[in-house]
Amino acid sequence: AAGVIQSPRHLIKEKRETATLKCYPIPRHDTVYWYQQGPGQDPQFLISFYEKMQSDKGSIPDRFSAQQFSDYHSELNMSSLELGDSALYFCASSQFAGWSSDTQYFGPGTRLTVL
Amino acid sequence: KQEVTQIPAALSVPEGENLVLNCSFTDSAIYNLQWFRQDPGKGLTSLLLIQSSQREQTSGRLNASLDKSSGRSTLYIAASQPGDSATYLCAVSTSGTYKYIFGTGTRLKVLA
Repeated sequence: AAGVIQSPRHLIKEKRETATLKCYPIPRHDTVYWYQQGPGQDPQFLISFYEKMQSDKGSIPDRFSAQQFSDYHSELNMSSLELGDSALYFCASSQFAGWSSDTQYFGPGTRLTVL
Repeated sequence: KQEVTQIPAALSVPEGENLVLNCSFTDSAIYNLQWFRQDPGKGLTSLLLIQSSQREQTSGRLNASLDKSSGRSTLYIAASQPGDSATYLCAVSTSGTYKYIFGTGTRLKVLA
């Protein structure tokens, strides 16, 4: 069965550079979630999209932006990178069914290292 | 604001033991609760999902229970094996938001 695809899997950037992380949800899934997991920490919710509109927002820095495209893939754009942005970034997708949302399926993550 | 706590933070047991991991949440208005396994530096592997209307789910040697009224879930692992060594995370989605709030995790080590 198709799973959530994230690219790249690993990314190394210098401070103050920009990074773009991509997420391709499971086919027919219309909702995408982004999570950040710092070293030794639990994953923290950043932002989510439903039908290409932002549906919820967590502790996402103003330097980060994200969007969901017409094919439902999503991109997380990170600018002015800081050392503290080094983390594992997960994308999850689900299928929203009116008043409820199905299980979230997680991608393998993108490991971002900021030097 | 939903808060999720897991105890113990770390656990070391000999192979073959049955063990219980605990997850507590402060807001009982949850949509679902999911247990994950995470190996060091790796992604999240989904173990079990319990919808709010369910009381438990089973998969192989794993059994997860949910008591919404008391804000608790337990993950029972039978006949533990060294390959079960990992960090176990529970995550809760609250009705109306659907985003997951993760617990702090239990780091399990099963000794051969």
